[in-house]
Amino acid sequence: SQTIHQWPATLVQPVGSPLSLECTVEGTSNPNLYWYRQAAGRGLQLLFYSVGIGQISSEVPQNLSASRPQDRQFILSSKKLLLSDSGFYLCAWRAGGNTGELFFGEGSRLTVL
Amino acid sequence: GESVGLHLPTLSVQEGDNSIINCAYSNSASDYFIWYKQESGKGPQFIIDIRSNMDKRQGQRVTVLLNKTVKHLSLQIAATQPGDSAVYFCAEMKGSRNTNAGKSTFGDGTTLTVKP
Repeated sequence: SQTIHQWPATLVQPVGSPLSLECTVEGTSNPNLYWYRQAAGRGLQLLFYSVGIGQISSEVPQNLSASRPQDRQFILSSKKLLLSDSGFYLCAWRAGGNTGELFFGEGSRLTVL
Repeated sequence: GESVGLHLPTLSVQEGDNSIINCAYSNSASDYFIWYKQESGKGPQFIIDIRSNMDKRQGQRVTVLLNKTVKHLSLQIAATQPGDSAVYFCAEMKGSRNTNAGKSTFGDGTTLTVKP
């Protein structure tokens, strides 16, 4: 069966520090991968998506970047965090077929102080 | 751009009653409409989806209705239980995994509280 792992689950970082969130998917190949951010009490905003290794598309201008070094690995990074980067970050993947379903990881809660 | 919005941010129901959560969307070209459930501190979980060429789809204790005339989507939960308490999101997707990269746009969510 397919699983998705995301870490770390929680982190507190000072302004100006770097960030690296990692996501891996098991049990599937060539998934579409997504990074979403969720502000408190709000819906999910799509940040990045990837349809293959090394292929990254950005949905909104921001202080973050993403990379996909391997088929089932998706990384969200920042060189210098801003206060506004605080939020709940969710990695997700989509399989093929006729479905709208996204499979989400458990999320990473980032607090920038 | 596309938008998806929910009618009410909160809904409180009595255990055993039926719940109806509503959602409005703007993109007539969406191919799928999806409902997710999110418990506190966790990632969203898929509940049910419906293709744009359908009006109704039923799952276990849930029914999704799609009214394309008024661009309205609803999720009905039968015999609501305390375990149904969560935030519910509607989302829309245009294309498929291989077209438009299968991107989904989410609404802001409705918090469902089930009273015992």
